[in-house]
Amino acid sequence: NAGVTQTPKFRVLKTGQSMTLLCAQDMNHEYMYWYRQDPGMGLRLIHYSVGEGTTAKGEVPDGYNVSRLKKQNFLLGLESAAPSQTSVYFCASSYSNREAFFGQGTRLTVV
Amino acid sequence: LAKTTQPISMDSYEGQEVNITCSHNNIATNDYITWYQQFPSQGPRFIIQGYKTKVTNEVASLFIPADRKSSTLSLPRVSLSDTAVYYCLWRDDKIIFGKGTRLHILP
Repeated sequence: NAGVTQTPKFRVLKTGQSMTLLCAQDMNHEYMYWYRQDPGMGLRLIHYSVGEGTTAKGEVPDGYNVSRLKKQNFLLGLESAAPSQTSVYFCASSYSNREAFFGQGTRLTVV
Repeated sequence: LAKTTQPISMDSYEGQEVNITCSHNNIATNDYITWYQQFPSQGPRFIIQGYKTKVTNEVASLFIPADRKSSTLSLPRVSLSDTAVYYCLWRDDKIIFGKGTRLHILP
């Protein structure tokens, strides 16, 4: 049972490039989340989804887009990467108000 | 804006009991209080969740008073491996993390 899997684990982008981060869960969870975590800081919610086909903004949504076309996948897109988006990105999934399970993170550097 | 308030950091010694208190004055009637643990370079891990009174599992205990405006995470007999950041939160559809408490266990 893989749980929550994030792809890729590391990535270096040039300013202005685009990329998509993939989060996949095999627990049939309705809820999925994307966070970013900067050094020494707590996690900040970017976007989240309460079910297939739905998405909503979190605390820091600007510069990111998401899609939830399949229940098990939640994609995070950066259309034009900026150095300020250098961070570690975590995905999570859960049943409604139950415990959330997190992936191992994607370390993104924008140069 | 984080919905909880907890100490920024705490130190303790191996073998001692550690209690971390969190304030959540505006918690909604139906929401549960949840605690997570995060080690460096890893995603947060669920520790315990409760609604009221006391909840205990193999890792920790959670004490919640009747007014539910605060909660206390209790870690019995900590070891060096319990050094981590601990987050208290209550959730609706979103899961919003605060700054957490950086717990440092000393030998």
